[in-house]
Amino acid sequence: AQTVTQSQPEMSVQEAETVTLSCTYDTSESDYYLFWYKQPPSRQMILVIRQEAYKQQNATENRFSVNFQKAAKSFSLKISDSQLGDAAMYFCAYRSARGSTLGRLYFGRGTQLTVWP
Amino acid sequence: GAGVSQSPSNKVTEKGKDVELRCDPISGHTALYWYRQSLGQGLEFLIYFQGNSAPDKSGLPSDRFSAERTGGSVSTLTIQRTQQEDSAVYLCASSNSGGAWETQYFGPGTRLLVL
Repeated sequence: AQTVTQSQPEMSVQEAETVTLSCTYDTSESDYYLFWYKQPPSRQMILVIRQEAYKQQNATENRFSVNFQKAAKSFSLKISDSQLGDAAMYFCAYRSARGSTLGRLYFGRGTQLTVWP
Repeated sequence: GAGVSQSPSNKVTEKGKDVELRCDPISGHTALYWYRQSLGQGLEFLIYFQGNSAPDKSGLPSDRFSAERTGGSVSTLTIQRTQQEDSAVYLCASSNSGGAWETQYFGPGTRLLVL
C-alpha cells in the first residue's frame, strides 16, 4: 500500500512571508497523482494544487507552488506571500493512476499551519 | 450550484446503537467517496462508488459498516452496533467521473460521537 508522510505536525509563518510544507511518499508505481488539500476549521477539504507524476514541470496555482522530486519521492508545497486566510490544516495526498486502488486518496497526517499577523 | 452536503452535522449516539449518515453529492457527479477522519488514524478511505460499477469496499474497517448509493446520487453510510472507536468525522466527497486526476469535492463532514 502507498504511504504518505508529513513530518511537520505544525508550522508557522509571518504574514507576507513564504513557508514550505514537506511531504514524502512511498510507492512502487510509476504513474500517479499527488495533491495538496487544505482543511480550515469548517472541516471542508479544499483542493489547493495537484501534480501529475509524468510531468516534470512543477505545478503552480497563484501563490501556491510545489517542488516535485519524483526520484526522491518528495512533494513539498510552497506558499508565498502568506495570508491570514491560509491558516489551516494541510494534507498531502496520493492517488494511483490505475488499478484496483484507483478510487482512493491516501493522505498524510497533516501539517497545521499558523499564520501570524 | 450547491456543493457536497452531509447530514447530520453532528451525531451523538450510545454504544450499540445503529447510525445512518447521509451524503448528497454534487449534481451530475458519478463518483462518490467516503473517508473517516480520526485523531488516532488520520484520514482513511472507506468506500468508493463509481457509476453502476461494483463499489470498492476494501476500506471498510469491519462488517458493521456498510454503504449504499441509491439512484446513482445520494449515499448512506450505516454503522451497526456502534463502538466508541467509531467516533470520528465522516467525510464524503464526489467527483465528476472518478478519474484519478479529478478534484474530489468534499462535504463538511458528520462528526460522530459514540458514548
